[in-house]
Amino acid sequence: AQSVTQLGSHVSVSEGALVLLRCNYSSSVPPYLFWYVQYPNQGLQLLLKYTSAATLVKGINGFEAEFKKSETSFHLTKPSAHMSDAAEYFCAVSEPNDYKLSFGAGTTVTVRA
Amino acid sequence: DSGVTQTPKHLITATGQRVTLRCSPRSGDLSVYWYQQSLDQGLQFLIQYYNGEERAKGNILERFSAQQFPDLHSELNLSSLELGDSALYFCASSVDAGISSYNEQFFGPGTRLTVL
Repeated sequence: AQSVTQLGSHVSVSEGALVLLRCNYSSSVPPYLFWYVQYPNQGLQLLLKYTSAATLVKGINGFEAEFKKSETSFHLTKPSAHMSDAAEYFCAVSEPNDYKLSFGAGTTVTVRA
Repeated sequence: DSGVTQTPKHLITATGQRVTLRCSPRSGDLSVYWYQQSLDQGLQFLIQYYNGEERAKGNILERFSAQQFPDLHSELNLSSLELGDSALYFCASSVDAGISSYNEQFFGPGTRLTVL
């Protein structure tokens, strides 16, 4: 069975500063990994995905994440935060031959002017 | 816009009642997934249908049921509602290229259910 742990339920950054959201996963097989973003009163939008190709994955809106098998991590970063990045971010895992997404608890990002 | 539509957007009802949530997947997608997002449980997978057949089941209560119709739209039925069923219910769809292939899930905007 797979599971996801997101470290930190709230992250506050200054506009222009680095955004770092941490995600560790547990999986019995090589997983597929995802980051989703949820803006207030909206659904989930896929930011980026790892599906066993390149370990450094680039997504939309300037976000990227690196898959580190030895650390079972898939941390999300963005070099320079923008006010529009304020949202809730979810890390998710699924396994080949399994169809469901297992989500972390989410990290709320606030951006200070 | 993901192409997945859900109705209604909001639903307010009383304990003990029954409601039906509807989802239309993206054109061409054969799989529909239902997820529940609540404050205490977070985002949880409920159930998946593929081309009309149930394919996977998660933490879905016996009071809840779902089905997928020949036109591929899906309905989630929630009965004997309790206060704790108040949540945001998401539907997602994927094309499902086959086992062991990656299938991106596209999420709808959700239905917010409030049980009073």
